[in-house]
Amino acid sequence: EVQLVESGGVLVKPGGSLRLSCAASGFTFSTYTMNWVRQTPGKGLEWVSSISSSSHRIYYAASVKGRFTISRDNARNLLFLQMSSLRAEDTALYYCVRDAPGDYGLDYWGQGTLVTVSS
Amino acid sequence: DIVLTQSPLSLPVTVGQPASISCRSSQSLAYSDGNTYLNWFHQRPGQSPRRLLYQVSNRDSGVPDRFSGSGSGTDFTLKISRVEAEDVGVYYCMQGKQWPLYTFGQGTKVEIK
Repeated sequence: EVQLVESGGVLVKPGGSLRLSCAASGFTFSTYTMNWVRQTPGKGLEWVSSISSSSHRIYYAASVKGRFTISRDNARNLLFLQMSSLRAEDTALYYCVRDAPGDYGLDYWGQGTLVTVSS
Repeated sequence: DIVLTQSPLSLPVTVGQPASISCRSSQSLAYSDGNTYLNWFHQRPGQSPRRLLYQVSNRDSGVPDRFSGSGSGTDFTLKISRVEAEDVGVYYCMQGKQWPLYTFGQGTKVEIK
């Protein structure tokens, strides 16, 4: 069974930093592109970042480029999102999501970890 | 960026009756390989999204056959043939044509009358 378990979400002040983690199991993590997607009541679902299986290809949404860094550790089946210069508008539930094989889409989602940016 | 517009945003339905949700794209989602990368998701309250359909009309494993998808180009539809109580929640369409720059529709909230 595919499982994605996020952690690291907390309350942080504007301008602060945070690292999210996602522990993957139930599939061969090292062969899949992985993503972070966030959800807010106001803006709905927003794709944040993507990293290829070998980390050679990395992409970011314009809203986070230059502030967030995605990375992975295939030996430990872990996905990360380093977040810096955080803003109130980064407040969201952050999901770790697997790219679907054979499709340009997303199949499995974690339960999410809540990041709140507030003074 | 590709913008997806869903309608309606709220859909009260009666158990046993059909339901239909529209998703319109700001540009064609047909890809150069001949496929159309449009996913549908269902999110129950307090849960993460679950994918129902991929490439417009292909059901994911375990998805009941009362869910179907259709459409091409810029216009797509999710249909539930007979709504059940467990179908409440929010439905989202998502495009993968500009992979990995995925974009989502605003969501359609389905509730039982």
